[in-house]
Amino acid sequence: EPEVTQTPSHQVTQMGQEVILRCVPISNHLYFYWYRQILGQKVEFLVSFYNNEISEKSEIFDDQFSVERPDGSNFTLKIRSTKLEDSAMYFCASSGLQGNEQFFGPGTRLTVL
Amino acid sequence: DAKTTQPPSMDCAEGRAANLPCNHSTISGNEYVYWYRQIHSQGPQYIIHGLKNNETNEMASLIITEDRKSSTLILPHATLRDTAVYYCIVRVARGSSGSARQLTFGSGTQLTVLP
Repeated sequence: EPEVTQTPSHQVTQMGQEVILRCVPISNHLYFYWYRQILGQKVEFLVSFYNNEISEKSEIFDDQFSVERPDGSNFTLKIRSTKLEDSAMYFCASSGLQGNEQFFGPGTRLTVL
Repeated sequence: DAKTTQPPSMDCAEGRAANLPCNHSTISGNEYVYWYRQIHSQGPQYIIHGLKNNETNEMASLIITEDRKSSTLILPHATLRDTAVYYCIVRVARGSSGSARQLTFGSGTQLTVLP
């Protein structure tokens, strides 16, 4: 069964450093998403991406964040200068043409020290 | 997207049906009801969705009231592995630009299946 994969599973970084979180969506999917979940809190939407551009973004997704689909398979989230409050689980998701069922990856746990 | 209300927690005996309610009294005509679950910090998992008819798949059944203001997710024979937070989400499938809409997660219902 096809699945969304994410690397790394756990990333530890120093405050102010740049991090890139990587995702491989399901191969024939057209819509891509990033969500995050701070420990003990709700899953929060960050950004959606379609047709090589951002479709929607939340207030969390400020200038420190960017997304890219550098090739036909990867979808990345970059945080330019990490803050302590960026520590969270980051989930990538993708969906097909109908956009109904979003498939989530296992997440990357980001720890900012 | 319309707001949903779910009980914060429920218990269910293993092997029995789990019935998880959701209120969405402000749902619009073009909004679907989606159910996802999250097993202990794993990525959320899609379960089922519907517009106005009842739906069934290999995981669960979704019962939507005729006025669409509430729905119930039914896990027919709950197992210990069904212990998770269950989220009821109401949204249109596509935004005005044609792109698929985000999911807005609430606090959900923590279902605990007891042996």
